[in-house]
Amino acid sequence: NAGVTQTPKFRVLKTGQSMTLLCAQDMNHEYMYWYRQDPGMGLRLIHYSVGEGTTAKGEVPDGYNVSRLKKQNFLLGLESAAPSQTSVYFCASSEWDRNSPLHFGNGTRLTVT
Amino acid sequence: KNEVEQSPQNLTAQEGEFITINCSYSVGISALHWLQQHPGGGIVSLFMLSSGKKKHGRLIATINIQEKHSSLHITASHPRDSAVYICAADMRFGAGTRLTVKP
Repeated sequence: NAGVTQTPKFRVLKTGQSMTLLCAQDMNHEYMYWYRQDPGMGLRLIHYSVGEGTTAKGEVPDGYNVSRLKKQNFLLGLESAAPSQTSVYFCASSEWDRNSPLHFGNGTRLTVT
Repeated sequence: KNEVEQSPQNLTAQEGEFITINCSYSVGISALHWLQQHPGGGIVSLFMLSSGKKKHGRLIATINIQEKHSSLHITASHPRDSAVYICAADMRFGAGTRLTVKP
């Protein structure tokens, strides 16, 4: 049982490039989340999904897009990367709602130069 | 003011000491999460609680919904407890408490 898997683990982008981060969970969880973690700050919610085909904005959605075409996958896209998007990105899932235990992926370290 | 505040930011303890980390929140919640982030970066869920107290091994979490306050206690701390401890309320996260336990 792999849990929550994020790919890639590391990525370096130049300003203006695009990329997609993939989050996959094999626990049949309804809710999925994308967070970013910056030094000295708590995790901040970018976007989340309450089920297949749904997405919603979190605290810091600007510059990111997401899709949840399949229940097990939640994709985070950066259309035109900026240095301010240098961060560690975490995906998480929870079984029923935001009050279910959270299961995290191992994170993706993204550097935008 | 952050909606979820943790204290202290950093904590150094000697092995065997009793540890308390505090979390205050201003958002309305049904449940609060305590998470542990290992030095390697991975995050695991320790507790999710909506009232009273929960215990798992040497870890105890308490919450007072009326006062919007929660505490995480570690009894008989050990160097392997060294990590960042994070509380989360309604998808808002505290900045974390970095705990270092010295042998």
